[in-house]
Amino acid sequence: GNSVTQMEGPVTLSEEAFLTINCTYTATGYPSLFWYVQYPGEGLQLLLKATKADDKGSNKGFEATYRKETTSFHLEKGSVQVSDSAVYFCARNNAGNMLTFGGGTRLMVKP
Amino acid sequence: ETGVTQSPTHLIKTRGQQVTLRCSSQSGHNTVSWYQQALGQGPQFIFQYYREEENGRGNFPPRFSGLQFPNYSSELNVNALELDDSALYLCASSLTSGSRQETQYFGPGTRLLVL
Repeated sequence: GNSVTQMEGPVTLSEEAFLTINCTYTATGYPSLFWYVQYPGEGLQLLLKATKADDKGSNKGFEATYRKETTSFHLEKGSVQVSDSAVYFCARNNAGNMLTFGGGTRLMVKP
Repeated sequence: ETGVTQSPTHLIKTRGQQVTLRCSSQSGHNTVSWYQQALGQGPQFIFQYYREEENGRGNFPPRFSGLQFPNYSSELNVNALELDDSALYLCASSLTSGSRQETQYFGPGTRLLVL
C-alpha cells in the first residue's frame, strides 16, 4: 500500500540553524503532499502543501518542493526559532482523500 | 469562521466499556475523517464520512463505528474498549465538491485512556 517515510528524530538544532527534514513517499498515483505540525498537547496544523510535481509549498519560512523524480518532499527552513520546536508529519493523500502519515520527526530548537 | 472542535478533550474508560467522541466540522465543510494517533506515532486513518455515509475505511475492526449528522458534525463510537485503544483521536474536516476533495483541517483531538 501507499506509505510515507520520514527521518527519525529527534532533530536538535541551535536557534538560527538550517533545518532539513527528509520525507519520501510511494509513487502510486498522483498524490498531493502535505506537512503538518503538532505542538505539545495539540492537534495537527497544516503547515504547507503541494498538489503536483515541481510545486513548492511555503509558509512561515518553511518550504518543501514536490520532487516526482526522487519521490521526495523534504521540509526546509533557513533559520529556525525556539518556537518551531514541535513534531512534524509528512503526509500524502490517497483515493478517497485518506491521508497516510509518516511517523513524525520531533524538532528541538535550543536558544 | 470557526475551526474544527472536538469533545471531550480527555476521557478515561476501562476495558470492555463503550465510548463516543464528538466532532464539529469547520464552517463550510461537509466531510469528516477520523484518525487514531498512538503515542509517538503518526495518525492512522479510521474512516471518513460524507453525506452521512461512510466514504472509506482504514484497517480498523467493526467495533469502531461512526455517524455523520445533517449539520455535518460526526461521532466516533468504539465498543468493547481494549487497552491498545488508548490514543489521541483526531477529527479532520474538509470540503468535497464533485469528485474533488480539499485539504483536511484537524481539531485538537480527544485523548482517550483505557485502563
